[in-house]
Amino acid sequence: KAGVTQTPRYLIKTRGQQVTLSCSPISGHRSVSWYQQTPGQGLQFLFEYFSETQRNKGNFPGRFSGRQFSNSRSEMNVSTLELGDSALYLCASSLLRDRDGYTFGSGTRLTVV
Amino acid sequence: AQSVTQPDIHITVSEGASLELRCNYSYGATPYLFWYVQSPGQGLQLLLKYFSGDTLVQGIKGFEAEFKRSQSSFNLRKPSVHWSDAAEYFCAVGGSGGYNKLIFGAGTRLAVHP
Repeated sequence: KAGVTQTPRYLIKTRGQQVTLSCSPISGHRSVSWYQQTPGQGLQFLFEYFSETQRNKGNFPGRFSGRQFSNSRSEMNVSTLELGDSALYLCASSLLRDRDGYTFGSGTRLTVV
Repeated sequence: AQSVTQPDIHITVSEGASLELRCNYSYGATPYLFWYVQSPGQGLQLLLKYFSGDTLVQGIKGFEAEFKRSQSSFNLRKPSVHWSDAAEYFCAVGGSGGYNKLIFGAGTRLAVHP
């Protein structure tokens, strides 16, 4: 079956712009999580959605937001981009919760210039 | 606070040698433990996971891990390393606390000498 699909793979944006990243989970998976990966901070949890509701949120500013649609696809948005937002953004899907395990996509590499 | 510590940032082993990557965690509730591997420019691939039961867990690619509650550890092992195992390895904890998120360690980068 198809894995977790993230689009686009690469993005270059200018400081101050906004960006939207997309994630399509594995068919049947209802939980979608987002993580930011940087060399300095490692892998950090952004937020998690289940049945269109945000169940948990990490310690990121309000410029980072997300949503989940009825088909479980998810988007995350970053407004007023800063240089420090340059990172690999990973999406992960799970059937229901932690113990089901998470399958990660290949990520979107965002570069802010 | 929940945390995961991977004490070794870099490890180099010879092909065919055994491998052990260390992971220690701090978690208030019953931990669910995971090991992931990441190749350059790629996402994370799940190697194995532990929720309960047998403390020795078998995973893909010949990896195994042992959960030791008394030591708060979940070390990853492989008896004979292949050159293709060179990658970065992440230990993560999630759990019954209902947090629905993973907390990752900083990762261990594995290099394999021929």
